Amino acid sequence: DSGVTQTPKHLITATGQRVTLRCSPRSGDLSVYWYQQSLDQGLQFLIQYYNGEERAKGNILERFSAQQFPDLHSELNLSSLELGDSALYFCASSVDSRVNEQFFGPGTRLTVL
Amino acid sequence: AQSVTQPDIHITVSEGASLELRCNYSYGATPYLFWYVQSPGQGLQLLLKYFSGDTLVQGIKGFEAEFKRSQSSFNLRKPSVHWSDAAEYFCAVGAKEYGNKLVFGAGTILRVKS
Repeated sequence: DSGVTQTPKHLITATGQRVTLRCSPRSGDLSVYWYQQSLDQGLQFLIQYYNGEERAKGNILERFSAQQFPDLHSELNLSSLELGDSALYFCASSVDSRVNEQFFGPGTRLTVL
Repeated sequence: AQSVTQPDIHITVSEGASLELRCNYSYGATPYLFWYVQSPGQGLQLLLKYFSGDTLVQGIKGFEAEFKRSQSSFNLRKPSVHWSDAAEYFCAVGAKEYGNKLVFGAGTILRVKS
């Protein structure tokens, strides 16, 4: 158990819908990262938040957005969902904003029908 | 930009045999290097990391990895594989110049035969 929690574990929805994925980092960690894992793209970095502020952006679609709240939990919002958005979404946390070991949550498996 | 290559998509070894998983990275300076393991339906677990210093690093579950700057490699090794080691292994590189994100290789699926 990494100490990072993610909810829900599974999510099934339809094209065009909007969903919210939630992540709670390890106690004391200030950085949260979101990654997408799919068969064709592998593990791709989406976005990083540090202490409530966006710190780095990867290949995140404009339909996707994220935020980190004062209690340091984070949410990833995915809207206008397409079939290709079906993937495993991981949240990871690390102690600060520097390059460091990241601790991964169990992931949310999103299926878009 | 950083990139990571894991040339072996699948590897099968016999239980008790030694293991080496290959990882090559592309980055100008000394990167921060990681190996993670993912069991089916699970998240990623950190096996070991290299930031600086001794180029041979020890990790959990009996794994070790060696950083070779001249070969831009960070290969993962284990002297004797157990059936429970069957999983997918990911090499990753991080660099502050690229925003501290981790860039992952495509992964190597390890099968252990008894």
